[in-house]
Formats: sequence, C-alpha cells, structure tokens
Amino acid sequence: NAGVTQTPKFQVLKTGQSMTLQCAQDMNHEYMSWYRQDPGMGLRLIHYSVGAGITDQGEVPNGYNVSRSTTEDFPLRLLSAAPSQTSVYFCASRGFFNTEAFFGQGTRLTVV
Amino acid sequence: QQQVKQSPQSLIVQKGGISIINCAYENTAFDYFPWYQQFPGKGPALLIAIRPDVSEKKEGRFTISFNKSAKQFSLHIMDSQPGDSATYFCAASKRTNYGGSQGNLIFGKGTKLSVKP
Repeated sequence: NAGVTQTPKFQVLKTGQSMTLQCAQDMNHEYMSWYRQDPGMGLRLIHYSVGAGITDQGEVPNGYNVSRSTTEDFPLRLLSAAPSQTSVYFCASRGFFNTEAFFGQGTRLTVV
Repeated sequence: QQQVKQSPQSLIVQKGGISIINCAYENTAFDYFPWYQQFPGKGPALLIAIRPDVSEKKEGRFTISFNKSAKQFSLHIMDSQPGDSATYFCAASKRTNYGGSQGNLIFGKGTKLSVKP
C-alpha cells in the first residue's frame, strides 16, 4: 500500500496563478483533510471531507477550494495564489472508525 | 482562540536524558489525545495516543501522562536518543461519530526536540 500520496512535492507559483495540489489514498478511508504547516503555527485545517461529495471548511479555508468526487482523491485548488499561501501543505486520511490519521509527505509551495 | 497549547517551543536534551513536552486544552468535549512525530521533510506520523479514561499510557520509551481535571497531558521520552530529534505535535479531537467536524484533529504549535550525543 502506498498510503497517502501527494503531488507535487515542490512548487513555485507566481502571484495570481492557480494550481491544484493532488492527494490520493489507497486505504479506502472515508475521512480526508488538508492542513497547512507554517513555522511556529502548527498544523491548521483548511478543508476536510467525510466522504465522496461531502466537503466542509476548516480553520483557514479562504483562497482554497476542494472537491471529493471519489473516495480515493481529494485535490486542493488554489484559485489565485498569494504570497501568504507560501507554506507546506499536508493531506491526511482516516477511516471513520479509526482514530489514527495518516499523512502524506507534503507539498512545499512558494508563491513569489 | 488556541484550543491546544503546547510548550516548550524547542527543547534540547542530552542523550540518555528525559524529554518532557506539555500540552493543555480548553474544550472538555475532546476525548482523544494523540502525539505526532515529524522528521524534516516528512509528514507527521502517529507516535502514541490516549483516551481520557486512563491517566497514563506507555509504549516503549514513550509515555503519555493525562490529567483530566487540569486539562493537561504530556509526553515523556525516556532515555532520549539522537534519533528522537524531531518535531512533536500534540493534538486533540472530539469523539468520532460518523464523521463531521467532530473528527478533526486540533494541533498544538509543535516542539522541536534536539537530542545531543
């Protein structure tokens, strides 16, 4: 099993550009979420999904969109990148009846 | 409002010493308290977790102590090793009940641990 796979690992964007961060899991987990990690700020929840077709906002959702068309995939879209979105992004998944969340390796995004 | 407060921000310990990281939470509805370990360039990985019905849980050199009345929990790393050097996050979540916001993990800001040889 690959677990949670994120692509790309690194990305540089110009202000105003849009892009999609990909996340896929092969554990048939219902629950998926996106976090951003900034120095001294811990991990903050952006968006999450409890199943295909169901998404909701987390703590810091502005500037990001998500969709969940399949159980396996949960892409994160940056609509118009801003320097404040420079961060490391982590995708995580968990089964409904399990407590352990599995994280991907992260995507380091720089917006210039 | 920071729901999970973690301290210290950084910690330096000699090899063989005890590392102690503390967390405090606000919401009494939290009922699951994990610790995650993160190495540079990697995603966080579950280290150990506890429910509030026990006061201590031990797994090898790692122990969680939980004080429900004080709303505090801590991670103790006994016989700390250079390989334990990483960032540690405490977290909390409400009871998982068919998903929804109750399942989200709320993280502390992290503690960077350095174990000197």
